[in-house]
Amino acid sequence: GENVEQHPSTLSVQEGDSAVIKCTYSDSASNYFPWYKQELGKRPQLIIDIRSNVGEKKDQRIAVTLNKTAKHFSLHITETQPEDSAVYFCAARLANAGGTSYGKLTFGQGTILTVHP
Amino acid sequence: DAGVTQSPTHLIKTRGQQVTLRCSPKSGHDTVSWYQQALGQGPQFIFQYYEEEERQRGNFPDRFSGHQFPNYSSELNVNALLLGDSALYLCASSLALGTGDGYTFGSGTRLTVV
Repeated sequence: GENVEQHPSTLSVQEGDSAVIKCTYSDSASNYFPWYKQELGKRPQLIIDIRSNVGEKKDQRIAVTLNKTAKHFSLHITETQPEDSAVYFCAARLANAGGTSYGKLTFGQGTILTVHP
Repeated sequence: DAGVTQSPTHLIKTRGQQVTLRCSPKSGHDTVSWYQQALGQGPQFIFQYYEEEERQRGNFPDRFSGHQFPNYSSELNVNALLLGDSALYLCASSLALGTGDGYTFGSGTRLTVV
């Protein structure tokens, strides 16, 4: 089955710096790659996603890049703010598995991001 | 609020007991997926229900079972609880045949097995 590796496990930056989190996946049939932010005691919230027919997607301070050949994708946060502090998870999904558009997501182990004021 | 609703929010059970967790999907969604999130780990896929059938299943034993009702709500049942079943159980809803906003997660049920 799919395996997703995420690095680093912890990341500490100063406010205003950039943060980059990287993930690799094992199954080349995966076609959907979301990123979730989870604050302590709260639900995972989708912050950005990318599909395999796109190489890069940007939403204000957040961007995701995908390299299908190397099977890795990365989250980039620019101009970090203390409220960006949370656990970030990457995930990958196999295309149309189970007959539905949003089947099983395989998650990475998470990155604890701390932004110091 | 038309988001995903889970109940109860917290639960304490004894080893060997059985538990039922409940989930109401986001309005307009017809598919429910269940995940187990152990402390400090990423969510692990348990199974997904669509049209009242289990469509996909992760690497979880048969002690984990589920059900989806005609109104799209879902239950997760765990029998013969083990200490290792202690985790946050997340429900996520989605639209089976669409290209919209993907999953919406609920806030989860924190299960503690003692």
